[in-house]
Amino acid sequence: DTAVSQTPKYLVTQMGNDKSIKCEQNLGHDTMYWYKQDSKKFLKIMFSYNNKELIINETVPNRFSPKSPDKAHLNLHINSLELGDSAVYFCASSHLRDEQFFGPGTRLTVL
Amino acid sequence: RKEVEQDPGPFNVPEGATVAFNCTYSNSASQSFFWYRQDCRKEPKLLMSVYSSGNEDGRFTAQLNRASQYISLLIRDSKLSDSATYLCVVTSSGNTGKLIFGQGTTLQVKP
Repeated sequence: DTAVSQTPKYLVTQMGNDKSIKCEQNLGHDTMYWYKQDSKKFLKIMFSYNNKELIINETVPNRFSPKSPDKAHLNLHINSLELGDSAVYFCASSHLRDEQFFGPGTRLTVL
Repeated sequence: RKEVEQDPGPFNVPEGATVAFNCTYSNSASQSFFWYRQDCRKEPKLLMSVYSSGNEDGRFTAQLNRASQYISLLIRDSKLSDSATYLCVVTSSGNTGKLIFGQGTTLQVKP
């Protein structure tokens, strides 16, 4: 009965590769988010979709492209991975402006 | 200046102690305030919302001072299971539900 799930949980890859992380929520929420938590533990918003419409797009390199095929899914595609992309990426969902529920995170390591 | 500032700690306290965490935020237009808890290598989870009148949930008490842009969390009778990182979180202005996280304060409760 996982509320917010992400795959994969761990991702180890070489610099220059392209990878995707998937997120799904079964809470019936209308808003989904991607966050990045770096090695210093700061958690920062990257993107948010409300009813499949992009509403938050922070200053993120355009190598990162979110896609929301429907309200229950929000995927993150990363092109040309760099060392600095190594971090934990969290997906979250909510009704807009309500409590956000986070997925378990995807730990990305770029070698 | 960071938008949300916290003392990162760590705070090392014995079981049964009372411990207080403080947080300041820079955007006076912030509307909502929260404390989240993050266990090691896990996702953040909402601990409690923070209201101007102050609010209590069992051993936890949160206070908000809008004039000073200051938020606090008091934990009474600390338990070993309270060991975690406590994240001060505020919403940005606007209606996007964007959360801004502090760096977190690490609490270690020892027997």
